[in-house]
Amino acid sequence: QSVLTQPPSVSAAPGQKVTISCSGSSSNIGNNYVSWYQQLPGTAPKLLIYENNKRPSGIPDRFSGSKSGTSATLGITGLQTGDEADYYCGTWDSSLSAHWVFGGGTKLTVL
Amino acid sequence: QLQLQESGPGLVKPSETLSLTCTVSGGSISSSSYYWGWIRQPPGKGLEWIGSIYYSGSTYYNPSLKSRVTISVDTSKNQFSLKLSSVTAADTAVYYCARPRAGSSSFNWFDPWGQGTLVTVSS
Repeated sequence: QSVLTQPPSVSAAPGQKVTISCSGSSSNIGNNYVSWYQQLPGTAPKLLIYENNKRPSGIPDRFSGSKSGTSATLGITGLQTGDEADYYCGTWDSSLSAHWVFGGGTKLTVL
Repeated sequence: QLQLQESGPGLVKPSETLSLTCTVSGGSISSSSYYWGWIRQPPGKGLEWIGSIYYSGSTYYNPSLKSRVTISVDTSKNQFSLKLSSVTAADTAVYYCARPRAGSSSFNWFDPWGQGTLVTVSS
């Protein structure tokens, strides 16, 4: 069971918009930066969003991130078939045994 | 451009020690403020952070694995390594090396990542 909760799957049609949620607590999302990773089938994860809402160079502005309280959201607009992937959120957990935590991952299907 | 590449045995016997190395190219592993880390992913499952190390040797480990994990750095070879002892089938996973970016008191994100290497624990 992951410390960060993500929906197992989401789906939408090409061209549409989708959001993926990531729910945590005050010891992790509530007081630390959230990052998001895209894992295309058979490949390594790739950084998509860092520090809650910043995009690395080369990531299109169709991808966006936000954070409110103890939850974070990844948004993808203008869905493309190439966006079909697993998406993971991650953050630092500042509890007694401080460590990095990932969400359980969300499978995006572009119908 | 910084690149990371994992290497090591793809098959380890139960109760033995898993050993992997990550070679860093395109930059120095000793660059200030840089940490280095390991993350794994069991087949069909999610990501799990194993631990991270500063180039000077300071380490942070996942509490659930801490008793079995050792991460070390070899600046002369621009490499860092992972050792996981007393492995079982539950340790079968793709192991990734990655660079965590650190803030004042936390890690903030991981980038870049290596391509990953599958390690199977089986007799």
